[in-house]
Parts: sequence; structure tokens; C-alpha cells
Amino acid sequence: KQEVTQIPAALSVPEGENLVLNCSFTDSAIYNLQWFRQDPGKGLTSLLLIQSSQREQTSGRLNASLDKSSGRSTLYIAASQPGDSATYLCAVTGGSYIPTFGRGTSLIVHP
Amino acid sequence: DARVTQTPRHKVTEMGQEVTMRCQPILGHNTVFWYRQTMMQGLELLAYFRNRAPLDDSGMPKDRFSAEMPDATLATLKIQPSEPRDSAVYFCASGLVESAGGYTFGSGTRLTVV
Repeated sequence: KQEVTQIPAALSVPEGENLVLNCSFTDSAIYNLQWFRQDPGKGLTSLLLIQSSQREQTSGRLNASLDKSSGRSTLYIAASQPGDSATYLCAVTGGSYIPTFGRGTSLIVHP
Repeated sequence: DARVTQTPRHKVTEMGQEVTMRCQPILGHNTVFWYRQTMMQGLELLAYFRNRAPLDDSGMPKDRFSAEMPDATLATLKIQPSEPRDSAVYFCASGLVESAGGYTFGSGTRLTVV
């Protein structure tokens, strides 16, 4: 059974810092990995999707990398802003096509 | 942008009442999930449909929960009878497996059972 762990569970940083959020998974036979953002009381918004054959994906200030052999993905946020404050969730999808979620990293970026 | 639509957004009900949550997946998507989110457990899979057929509902308490897809444009999740421990946010997500495009989530139904 796939297990997904996200570290740290919470993070509070001043505006402008570059951040790294970590996601680790136990079964490296994955189909894809998806990073989501969730604002308080809202749904999940997809940020980046990395296929199993890819090493990284970029969108604006966000960059996600994937290392299947070590069972890890990182989400890099450059020049963080208060608007980046949210919970970031990692979802790993295997051969069953069912996403398994981590518990998330709660991020606060203060001015 | 195409989106997954869930209704109602909020529901407050008394213990013992039936609750029905609805989801309209994105047109053309062949995969639908129901997840429940709580502070204690995070996101838990309740049900999984492919081409309207249920493939996995092992995470769902079958004595009170049921999930169906009467047609390709509608997925339902019912709780009967509801209990206070069912209070949570219920999310529906859809995707097209063959496109490897990931999954899109709805805004959720926030259920409170008093």
C-alpha cells in the first residue's frame, strides 16, 4: 500500500524567501505525481503534474521535481509572497490510477 | 475552464437523516472519485468509478454509505442514516485516465451532522 509523507507539516516564513516542500512515497512504481494547493475552506487546485517519465515541471515561480528511485518529490517556490499562504498537498498515483494523498504542508508567508 | 461541480456546498442536518451529495464530473472524463477530508484523517478515498462502474469502495462504511453513477454526468454519495462522526468535507474529483492529465477536484460539500 502506497504511503505518502509530507515534510514539514507547517512552515512560516517571511515574504521573499525561497521555499522547498518535500513529499516522499514508499512505492516507486508510480503513474504520476500531482501537487495541489488548498486555501482554507476551499477545494483543491492543481498546481503541477509530473508524469513518471519526467523529472520536473515548472509553472511561474513553482518548480516540482521527481526522483522515483528515491521515492521523493520536491516543490520549490521562488520569492514567496503572502498570497502563497495555503496548504500544499502531494498526490501520488500508481498503477491503480487512484491518487494517495499526503497530509499536506501548511504554509504561511508573512509580510 | 472545465470544472467539477458539487452540490450542495454546505449541508447541516440532524443525526439520523439521509444526506445526498451530488457531483457533475467534467464532460468526457471517465474516472470519478469521492474523498472525505477531516482534520484527523486528511483525505480518505471513499469510492472510485471508471466508466460509471464502481471499482473500489473499500474505504466506504457500507452499512450507511452508498455511491452511484446513474449516468455519465452525475455521481451521487448518500449517507443513511447520518451520524455526527460523518461531519467532514466531501470532495468529488474526475479525470481521463488515458490522457494522463491528472485529476480535477470540485469545491466540496461541507457536511455538519448535529
